[in-house]
Amino acid sequence: QKEVEQDPGPLSVPEGAIVSLNCTYSNSAFQYFMWYRQYSRKGPELLMYTYSSGNKEDGRFTAQVDKSSKYISLFIRDSQPSDSATYLCAMSHSTGNQFYFGTGTSLTVIP
Amino acid sequence: ETGVTQSPTHLIKTRGQQVTLRCSSQSGHNTVSWYQQALGQGPQFIFQYYREEENGRGNFPPRFSGLQFPNYSSELNVNALELDDSALYLCASSLDRVYEQYFGPGTRLTVT
Repeated sequence: QKEVEQDPGPLSVPEGAIVSLNCTYSNSAFQYFMWYRQYSRKGPELLMYTYSSGNKEDGRFTAQVDKSSKYISLFIRDSQPSDSATYLCAMSHSTGNQFYFGTGTSLTVIP
Repeated sequence: ETGVTQSPTHLIKTRGQQVTLRCSSQSGHNTVSWYQQALGQGPQFIFQYYREEENGRGNFPPRFSGLQFPNYSSELNVNALELDDSALYLCASSLDRVYEQYFGPGTRLTVT
């Protein structure tokens, strides 16, 4: 079983839609949860990070962590064509010296 | 403020050869992590260097080795290249708060 599972998609939505991206994980020791956006042939770009459980909002993006279910989500409101990219979830232990990424979900927002 | 840079951009090597990839961390960052990203996959953690010492390692064989210099730039060395080593190699730097990583554009390595 992989440490982190993420549906690769692809996911295609109309402009303005609410997008929900999800990851599940198996290791209850994970404490830090990150979301990255990666455009084609570029390095990942950090969108948001959360420590332990709870919600965090930044503009159109909301990250949720449910440690009891080992489930994390990223919501994108009012999606834009410029949001079209691959979204990667990542996790680490409290020591922060090893990181585990999901496979990535490919998102296309259609104008 | 200069971001994370990597060199070279692309590289083609033959199976069995050795390769060195380079990374300059973002100004002021003292931690560098290296990742391997195969096509269509998420990045796989190779190792992390903090203040010139290896601080964590993923499930990669010893032929993957690294180095961090006093200016916090870093190298990834891969010996005895195999076809499966073909991938995008990413480095990411951070300052102590290691979960807040900033990635470089990557080096695309092709092994033939």
